Amino acid sequence: DGGITQSPKYLFRKEGQNVTLSCEQNLNHDAMYWYRQDPGQGLRLIYYSQIVNDFQKGDIAEGYSVSREKKESFPLTVTSAQKNPTAFYLCASSIVGDRLNQPQHFGDGTRLSIL
Amino acid sequence: DAKTTQPNSMESNEDEPVHLPCNHSTISGTDYIHWYRQLPSQGPEYVIHGLTSNVNNRMASLAIAEDRKSSTLILHRATLRDAAVYYCILRDGRDDKIIFGKGTRLHILP
Repeated sequence: DGGITQSPKYLFRKEGQNVTLSCEQNLNHDAMYWYRQDPGQGLRLIYYSQIVNDFQKGDIAEGYSVSREKKESFPLTVTSAQKNPTAFYLCASSIVGDRLNQPQHFGDGTRLSIL
Repeated sequence: DAKTTQPNSMESNEDEPVHLPCNHSTISGTDYIHWYRQLPSQGPEYVIHGLTSNVNNRMASLAIAEDRKSSTLILHRATLRDAAVYYCILRDGRDDKIIFGKGTRLHILP
């Protein structure tokens, strides 16, 4: 079955450490997204990419970095510059074009905590 | 993206219909109305979307007011598995971003 796989499901980070969250999709979607969700809140966009080797900052990109070397993969690095990284991170993908009729498909998330 | 307003939480009994309201008084003529839901500890899941006419699919129905300033997501027969946060979102097609608000937390009573 096609879908989005995020790993790991739970991740712990030490102070001052960079960590990378994995997101892989086999839906053949061009666009991929990273969102952050804090308890009781909606989703906020971190970064998105519409095509390989290109990506744009979302609303809360500071302290995060991404790469898009392959269509299937869009890893997110949470750097030590992100002072409040504890959150639920969600990756999504969608078809580019006819945006109004294309839903985003989400993974099951990675929960990041600080040790 | 234009803003939407939803109640923070709602309750419904199992096996009864549920009507989840959404107000979007500043909607423009080209905005589509999308609904997603998020079950506990999972990513959001697409439910339904529409522009002007009412829409039905296997998960739900979407009723859109004639002036398009409000819409209602209808779950015809709620089950315990429908307990989730439901997000009403407007998409204007100018970019791929989706802006998620806090949504409505739906509680289903057995």
